[in-house]
Amino acid sequence: AQTVTQSQPEMSVQEAETVTLSCTYDTSESDYYLFWYKQPPSRQMILVIRQEAYKQQNATENRFSVNFQKAAKSFSLKISDSQLGDAAMYFCAYRVYYNQGGKLIFGQGTELSVKP
Amino acid sequence: GAVVSQHPSRVICKSGTSVKIECRSLDFQATTMFWYRQFPKQSLMLMATSNEGSKATYEQGVEKDKFLINHASLTLSTLTVTSAHPEDSSFYICSASLPSGSPTFGDTQYFGPGTRLTVL
Repeated sequence: AQTVTQSQPEMSVQEAETVTLSCTYDTSESDYYLFWYKQPPSRQMILVIRQEAYKQQNATENRFSVNFQKAAKSFSLKISDSQLGDAAMYFCAYRVYYNQGGKLIFGQGTELSVKP
Repeated sequence: GAVVSQHPSRVICKSGTSVKIECRSLDFQATTMFWYRQFPKQSLMLMATSNEGSKATYEQGVEKDKFLINHASLTLSTLTVTSAHPEDSSFYICSASLPSGSPTFGDTQYFGPGTRLTVL
């Protein structure tokens, strides 16, 4: 069975600084997707970034980028120029490409606080 | 685009009553919807996968008779918590993904804003 592990329950960053959130996963599949979702206090899940496993190039979305290491099964999220609005719970998620209805498997989450 | 709504956003009910939560995809057709449960400061726990026109697939440990899921149309799935008890109090979130024929199938799940259920 696939698993997703976020080993940092809490992280803190100074405003305008850079922070990296860690995520590792375990799977025997070769085709899959990886995601980072943000859940602010409103509890609305917001997609931050996605990565297809067959793509070697790391995904980037403005201030957000990932370091995808397929062989190591690692998928970390880097937030540059951190802003107060980045404070939230961040979840790493894995999705099987076609099997199992495409359901998401989530990590435990990392609570990010941003200090002004 | 790809907006998912949930109704109600909050519900308080008495123990023993049933509560229905609606999940709608507003601007796309969703053949597959998912229902999650989330406790405070915890991750999302998948309860079931709902496919339009067929029976839902429940995750291990989820009571099918307590959490009834219906996906009657391509834009609507409902979760009914039957004979609710205080331990059913939680935050329930739905998500939807695009149809299998979509070029972005296997891509992103779009989440509703969630429903906070409190059973007294």
